[in-house]
This record gives sequence, C-alpha cells and structure tokens, in this order.
Amino acid sequence: AQKVTQAQTEISVVEKEDVTLDCVYETRDTTYYLFWYKQPPSGELVFLIRRNSFDEQNEISGRYSWNFQKSTSSFNFTITASQVVDSAVYFCALSEADSGYALNFGKGTSLLVTP
Amino acid sequence: KAGVTQTPRYLIKTRGQQVTLSCSPISGHRSVSWYQQTPGQGLQFLFEYFSETQRNKGNFPGRFSGRQFSNSRSEMNVSTLELGDSALYLCASRVSGVSYNEQFFGPGTRLTVL
Repeated sequence: AQKVTQAQTEISVVEKEDVTLDCVYETRDTTYYLFWYKQPPSGELVFLIRRNSFDEQNEISGRYSWNFQKSTSSFNFTITASQVVDSAVYFCALSEADSGYALNFGKGTSLLVTP
Repeated sequence: KAGVTQTPRYLIKTRGQQVTLSCSPISGHRSVSWYQQTPGQGLQFLFEYFSETQRNKGNFPGRFSGRQFSNSRSEMNVSTLELGDSALYLCASRVSGVSYNEQFFGPGTRLTVL
C-alpha cells in the first residue's frame, strides 16, 4: 500500500502564481519524519525540509512554506510567487521505524512554471 | 564541501550482464543508501550501509547487492541484468545512522539495459 500519496501528478502555473503541493501520509508509528525533495531535470534530488512528528509548527523559508497537520496526516508545500526555476518534480517522503527509517517516497508532483 | 558523487553517470548494458555502480558520500558521512527510480515504480529503497554493514534492505531480489568500504564509499552490484533494471540509481549519504538525519543525494547513474 502506498504510504505517501501525492494526488497531483502534474501542475502547471504561470509565473508569480502561488501553488500548493499536497502530501498525505500513512503511518502507525508515533515517531516519524517527513521530508520534501526537489528533483530538477538534472536528476539530482535536492533536500528541502525535514519535519518530525513532534513538531507541528509550520515552516517558512523564503518563498517556500510547509503546513504539517497530524490530524489530517498531511504535509503540504506551498510556493509563493512561483518562478520558472521552480519547475521540477517534487517528492514528499516518510521515514519511520517500520521501514528502518528508509525514505518512502510519494510518486511525485511535476510542477511546470511558465513565464 | 563536495557533494555525493556517483560513477559512472551513464551506462549501457545488455541483458544477462552484470554491473557495478560506485558512490562516494559527502566527507564525514558514514551512512550510504541506494534508491532505484523508474517511471513506473517511482523511487524505491534498495539498501543502506553504515560502518561497512548493511543495516536495512528494501524489497529487491538477491541480484541486487552492495557493499561499503572503510572510507564509507559504497558500491552496488546488479547481476544477470534484466530489461526492467533500466533505471536511475541514486545514492544518498547522511552523517550517521541517526534516523532523523536528512539524506543528501548524488546525481545518479542512469542504467540502460538492452
């Protein structure tokens, strides 16, 4: 069963629009970690953020913000004022004891930002 | 600090052959993990090595194996290649075996099996 669901396969926005990428996860562990990675066309996965299950504070980093809600098992990612350079595939991942803390990735959301 | 490096970047093999991929982690990182990325299955965990020992293994057949050396460099081997092994193989390193450490990925090795 898919433990991390990224329902949006592809999103296309025009530059300067805000966009939210959804991530829903499933776990029985009380201690777990959530991650977002960006994969540009070059292929390398770039780490964006880590959140642990004890910390539900939202995080903002420049144009990026993350909304973690345990009640809905969601860890959504918002890009404000999107730019062409944001075009990439974004992956949400879960790390939990049940899988030996390996990263369990969602299928990814392909974001295209056009000028 | 140099990032994770992987060699070779591209590889073409034929069915039945074997292949060895190499990964050098970030200096000071002792944990190395391998992932396979395909269009159909997405990103899947292969295995993790820490201090030269395999600490965790994903759900892949025994044709996929790996090892880690004392300098933390790791190699991954796939024997008796199948067409379905065509994929981007990503290596990731992290500082230690602590569960919450984020993993940093290399550029990957793109393997094509003909």
